[in-house]
Amino acid sequence: QVQLQESGPGLVKPSQTLSLTCIVSSGSISSGDYYWSWIRQPPGKGLEWLGYIHSSGSTYYNPSLKSRVTISLDTSKNLFSLNLSSVTAADTAIYYCARDRSGYGHLDYWGQGTLVTVSS
Amino acid sequence: QSALTQPASVSGSPGQSITISCTGSSSDVGTYKFVSWYQQHPGKAPKLMIYEVSKRPSGVSDRFSGSKSGSTASLTISGLQAEDEADYYCCSYANSITFVFGGGTKLTVL
Repeated sequence: QVQLQESGPGLVKPSQTLSLTCIVSSGSISSGDYYWSWIRQPPGKGLEWLGYIHSSGSTYYNPSLKSRVTISLDTSKNLFSLNLSSVTAADTAIYYCARDRSGYGHLDYWGQGTLVTVSS
Repeated sequence: QSALTQPASVSGSPGQSITISCTGSSSDVGTYKFVSWYQQHPGKAPKLMIYEVSKRPSGVSDRFSGSKSGSTASLTISGLQAEDEADYYCCSYANSITFVFGGGTKLTVL
């Protein structure tokens, strides 16, 4: 059973960089044809896809955030990370990591989510 | 990329069937067969219910079914149960390797 767990600061100051990690248990993130994804949900609102990284290391980002988002793999720790730069209050959200089984929106395993608040 | 359009809310009585629509465009739903649906209970992570328009993951009840016509996808829940009360989101693959979600639909079981 694959499990994902997000971790990182719950509070980030405006203009700084939001950094989160997602530890994956059961199986290596660098093997298999999977896409390791980040999705966010502002409180009381809908979901937004941020991007994903293939197990080979190729990355794909939401065009609306592309200049601010970076996703990377750390195979030694079996985790992947999200960096979102120049944050504003609009980036306040629950951030989820998930596994996309096909690269076409087949998000079959999700983390529990972590709330990140952007405030001074 | 604009969000997909879903009704804000739908309701039904136990045992009834309901359908949630998800309208996109030729840039997403209308072109690609990669529409998925997620169920989200309050305070919980989304759960995959349907992928590739009409496929059900292992463990998901066959009361849930998906379809697509043109630029509109649909999720149908038959034999409505109290536990089905949740928010439902559609998601579609879109041009330039991106994904767009719907705004979400709140299902109330009366």
